[in-house]
Amino acid sequence: SQQGEEDPQALSIQEGENATMNCSYKTSINNLQWYRQNSGRGLVHLILIRSNEREKHSGRLRVTLDTSKKSSSLLITASRAADTASYFCATVGVETSGSRLTFGEGTQLTVNP
Amino acid sequence: ETGVTQSPTHLIKTRGQQVTLRCSSQSGHNTVSWYQQALGQGPQFIFQYYREEENGRGNFPPRFSGLQFPNYSSELNVNALELDDSALYLCASSVGLARRETQYFGPGTRLLVL
Repeated sequence: SQQGEEDPQALSIQEGENATMNCSYKTSINNLQWYRQNSGRGLVHLILIRSNEREKHSGRLRVTLDTSKKSSSLLITASRAADTASYFCATVGVETSGSRLTFGEGTQLTVNP
Repeated sequence: ETGVTQSPTHLIKTRGQQVTLRCSSQSGHNTVSWYQQALGQGPQFIFQYYREEENGRGNFPPRFSGLQFPNYSSELNVNALELDDSALYLCASSVGLARRETQYFGPGTRLLVL
C-alpha cells in the first residue's frame, strides 16, 4: 500500500507560472525524495531532502519539509512545457532496512504553451 | 539516460504463465531494487538485492522472486501470472544500502497479462 498522498492529483498551468505540489506521509522518515516520470517510463531523481532539513533548492526547484506535519511541497518556478510529467514524492523510512522507497500516488502536471 | 537498462521493453503473457524480467545496473552500482507500478499509481517496492543477497521485501507473494548475479545485474521472476500483475516493472540501481543514496531507474518493462 502507498504511504503518502499527493495533492493535487492533477494540475494544469500556463507556461511561466509556478507549480506547487504537496505530499503527505505517515511514518518517521530518514529522507524524502521527489521524482519525475514522463509518459509512464522510468523515474528521474530530482531532489532529496533529509529529515533534519527544512528547505532545499535545485535550479528552478524548491522543496520544503515539515516533519511535524509529515508533509512536503515541491515548487517548480517559471514552468516550461517540457516540465509536463508526473511527479512523485518518495520516502525512506527510519525503520526500513536499506534504501527502499515508498512512493505517493503522484501529481500529473500539464504545462500549456 | 541513467545507464540502467531493462529488457524486454514490452511483454504480453497469458494468465498462469511465468515471466522473467532483466535489469542491468549502472556501472559501479551493487544494489538493485524492483518496483511494480500499476496504471495511474505510484511504484510499489517489491524487493531489493545487495551484493547478491535479498535485503528487504515488500508486500508481494512468494511467486515474485528475484536474483542478483556477480556482475550485479538482476532478474525478477513472476510465476503463475494473474491479470493484476499487468503493470510497469521498474528496476533501480544504487551504491550500497545507505538511506540517502540516490536510486537510478531504468526505463521499465511493461507487462500485460491477458
